[in-house]
Formats: sequence, structure tokens, C-alpha cells
Amino acid sequence: QVTLRESGPALVKPTQTLTLTCTFSGFSLSTSGMCVSWIRQPPGKALEWLALIDWDDDKYYSTSLKTRLTISKDTSKNQVVLTMTNMDPVDTATYYCARTTLVGATTQPLDYWGQGTLVTVSS
Amino acid sequence: EIVMTQSPATLSVSPGERATLSCRASQSVSSNLAWYQQKPGQAPRLLIYGASTRATGIPARFSGSGSGTEFTLTISSLQSEDFAVYYCQQYNNWPLWTFGQGTKVEIK
Repeated sequence: QVTLRESGPALVKPTQTLTLTCTFSGFSLSTSGMCVSWIRQPPGKALEWLALIDWDDDKYYSTSLKTRLTISKDTSKNQVVLTMTNMDPVDTATYYCARTTLVGATTQPLDYWGQGTLVTVSS
Repeated sequence: EIVMTQSPATLSVSPGERATLSCRASQSVSSNLAWYQQKPGQAPRLLIYGASTRATGIPARFSGSGSGTEFTLTISSLQSEDFAVYYCQQYNNWPLWTFGQGTKVEIK
């Protein structure tokens, strides 16, 4: 049974750095083809893909946010961590982590999602 | 970046009726298109992938079609639990994935 759960602060101040942790079970990020992504959703708005880390520790970022994002993994703890610097009120959103897989050269969709964590940016 | 455009923004449908949702990509995404359902306060749930394959446990009343730039999600007979927001997502441009802005299916 695959599960993911996001954790982190509910409130951050402008200019601060946000650190979120995704703790997962039911799969291993050391298994070939496994990947974890972060996606966010401002209140009442659409989903936005942020970052992805794969089993081989390759990292990919949203073009518009790549200067502010860092993704990393701790395979032994089954965790993926996302940091976002210089937070702004427009970054207020629910942040989700989700799993995807690479099957050969074929990408797959986001098949399992965490329940999300709401982060509010306010002074 | 591939832009995904969904229409309509809101669809008002009576229970038991058919709902047809559209998604258009700004360039070809082949069949690497997924549909997700999201209910208030919940995470998105994968419904369809590969443009037309139902995910595990998804009822047969949900079907997807299309390829290239034009895609459709059809719900053949709306049940009360189907009223939600639906998002399309392209995963062709690895891994710079993009989502549509969503279609809200509401009770008429």
C-alpha cells in the first residue's frame, strides 16, 4: 500500500525559507524508475508542478521557480525534502507530494498523492 | 512550456446525464495525458492516463479519448459523487509537466 504524507510549517513569514518533508511508504526511492514530485495549489486555483527527484538522484525544477527550489531525498528514511527560499504571500498554497514512475523511457502520471499541507505566507 | 486549456470552466449537469469535458494542448503531447478528479479538501485522484486508460478502481462510466492536442473526458451518467473539479495534465514533456486550469462539474 503506497502512502505519502507532507509535513512542515503552516505559517511562514515573507522572505523566509520554507522546508517541507514528504514521508512515504509502500515503495522505495532506490528502486529503478521511482520518482517523487512536489505540486502546489493556491486556494481556489489550479495545480502547479514544482520539482521532481528520481531514484538516481536526478533533480528537475519548474522553469519559473528553479532559482528558489531545492529537492533532496533520504532513501533510508523514505523521505523527500523540498526547500523554497524567499517566500512571498503569493506562495500561499496547499503543497502536495506525489509519486510517479519511469517505465523504460515512458513517463507515467502522478498515481499516488499525499493529502497536502496548507502553507500560508504572512507577516 | 506546454499550455493546457480546459473547457468549459464550469459545467452544470443533472444527475444521470452525460458530461463531456475538453482539454487542449498548445503542442502535441502524444497520448501522455492524464485526468484527475479533485473534491473539496482532498488531493487530486488519478482517473485516466495514457489519454484513455482508466486507473485502478475507476468506474467504467469514466472514459477518455483523444491524442496529440485534443482530448476529452466523458462521464456517461453522472452520479452524486462525481461532482468535483477535473484537471487534465500532460506528462509528455518530461518532467516539465503542466496542468489545465480545471473544469468544475456542478449540479444543475
